[in-house]
Amino acid sequence: GAVVSQHPSWVICKSGTSVKIECRSLDFQATTMFWYRQFPKQSLMLMATSNEGSKATYEQGVEKDKFLINHASLTLSTLTVTSAHPEDSSFYICSARMGTAAQPQHFGDGTRLSIL
Amino acid sequence: DAKTTQPNSMESNEEEPVHLPCNHSTISGTDYIHWYRQLPSQGPEYVIHGLTSNVNNRMASLAIAEDRKSSTLILHRATLRDAAVYYCILRGAGNTDKLIFGTGTRLQVFP
Repeated sequence: GAVVSQHPSWVICKSGTSVKIECRSLDFQATTMFWYRQFPKQSLMLMATSNEGSKATYEQGVEKDKFLINHASLTLSTLTVTSAHPEDSSFYICSARMGTAAQPQHFGDGTRLSIL
Repeated sequence: DAKTTQPNSMESNEEEPVHLPCNHSTISGTDYIHWYRQLPSQGPEYVIHGLTSNVNNRMASLAIAEDRKSSTLILHRATLRDAAVYYCILRGAGNTDKLIFGTGTRLQVFP
């Protein structure tokens, strides 16, 4: 149980394109979803926290107009990288949690984004 | 946020037990100790978590010091598939808390 599906797993696109990444909790309702970014040989960096039906809370230094997050239902959150540039190339990972913060987070397999 | 300290890397041979240490001297009374691991090119995977008592599950055991200032993740018999980066993270019990990943311990397992 507790499966999180992330789509697409890999995307290559031209500079200036907007890219949408989906994160779905397949067998549970996620009260909270998180988005992370990971550069090569570095640890995960939390970008934002989103609760269903409310605006996402972004971490310091993360541009909310650049990384649009929508959490329209208890099973789906999307991250849109708007007008992507090569420096946005990274491994984007979502996670979902049910219940309180004492509960584990369940992670998707990540989306590798390459901007040419 | 309360921080954790882990060794950068550890090595083990296959079939041997592995003890991964984590220091968290500034832990608060309501912080849970969570462990996750990340295999190459994958998202992190939940391993185990606990508050005060030692915990066991099918993946590992978590031994928590009596003063809660340190903990140890125990893999009873390492396999090649256990080679990963292991993260020890403290989380509060509030609904809005989040996981902050440190650098973790890179575990190498040799055949």
